[in-house]
Order: sequence, then structure tokens, then C-alpha cells
Amino acid sequence: QAVLTQPSSLSASPGASASLTCTLRSDINVGTYRIYWYQQKPGSPPQYLLRYKSDSDKQQGSGVSSRFSGSKDASANAGILLISGLQSEDEADYYCLIWHSDTYVFGSGTKVTVL
Amino acid sequence: EVQLVESGGDLVQPGGSLRLSCAASGFTFSNYGMDWVRQAPGKGLEWVAYINKGGGSIYYADSVKGRFTISRDNAKNSLFLQMNSLRVEDTAVYYCADLWDSGYWGQGTLVAVSS
Repeated sequence: QAVLTQPSSLSASPGASASLTCTLRSDINVGTYRIYWYQQKPGSPPQYLLRYKSDSDKQQGSGVSSRFSGSKDASANAGILLISGLQSEDEADYYCLIWHSDTYVFGSGTKVTVL
Repeated sequence: EVQLVESGGDLVQPGGSLRLSCAASGFTFSNYGMDWVRQAPGKGLEWVAYINKGGGSIYYADSVKGRFTISRDNAKNSLFLQMNSLRVEDTAVYYCADLWDSGYWGQGTLVAVSS
């Protein structure tokens, strides 16, 4: 089982909200991890969006819209990236990241399509 | 303005070596741990290596352990990745980045391993 699991794709309409999940392997507890989120558009390097551990331990990337926010779902053992008010410019691949057992681990990425 | 500029990517034969460099500017480089991250063509992100701000703590992905060496020169604001015994599967764009704190990323340099 992969350390981090992300759905491969997600589609939503302009103006809608999109909730991207990053599910941690069942033997590791989401509550103890900082979860980082990155956006990558074709031909460009990843852009740091935010990190979230708790409401008191979170950081928004410099210049990143407040339409992007992070949270956790402890019952699902998952980190969540919420994109509010979807715009066409939000079409991209989104990756989650954690530091686990002396290594960084990226999720496999979710491709977001704005229909 | 923060800049991370990678260089040194090239076409190399399997078994060959290459040294990547990353020149940092616009921030206090010596205050940050740094990483190398790679992305194979059409694939997701893969973390490669980490070095702390003083250079005394280093970690590697299993896929490169024993073949790659990360280092830094804080006096020259530079990060390096020495890559030996290169394999076809090492073909990727290599990025330098600070994954833990700032979220800064470079634009990447392409390493192609092929006979």
C-alpha cells in the first residue's frame, strides 16, 4: 500500500468547490504530519500552495489565493486541499507531500479539470 | 527576488556521472535545508535527497542511495548533486527546492540517460 494515495483525477464546474484528498497509509496517523500541497501546470515547476498540520500550525504560500485552504479528515486519515470558486486557471496537477521515516514522500498527484 | 537556478543537466550514457548545481539568491541560503526533487517525463514528483542548513544531516531516497551525493557550499550560496552510476531510469528534470520551510523551487535542469 502506498504511503500517500491521491485520486488520479477530479472534474468540477467553474465556481464550484473541489476537495482533493491525500489519504495516508493506515499505519500512519495523519494527525502527526505536516501535509504540503503543490500545484503544477504543464511545462512549469511545481508551485507551493500551503502546508497544514492543524489550525494553529499552517502556512499559506506567498501570494497564494485564499481560495486554496488545507484541512484534515481524521476519520479518513486524510489531508484535504479545498479549492473554492474554481477557475479555469486552477486546471493543473496537484501533489501532496509529507516527511515520513527520514524521507519525503509525494502523492501520485490529482489532475484537476475545470469543465 | 528569490531565485534558484539549476545547471549541469546533460545527455549521458548509462553508467556515467554528472554533477548538478543550484545557485541561490534573494534569500539567506545558509538558513535553509535544501532538497533535490526529480520528475521523469510524463510522471509525478519524486524526492531525491535532503541536506540540512549546516550540511551535517543528509537523507536520500532508496532509489539513489549509494549513487548520488548531495552537498552544499553556503559561502557560495550553492547546492550540488553528484550523480554516479547513472541509469536510464534516472532520466528526469531535476529541481532544487526547499520543501520544509519556504517552498522555493527552481526551474529545473534536464538529465537524460541514454545510450
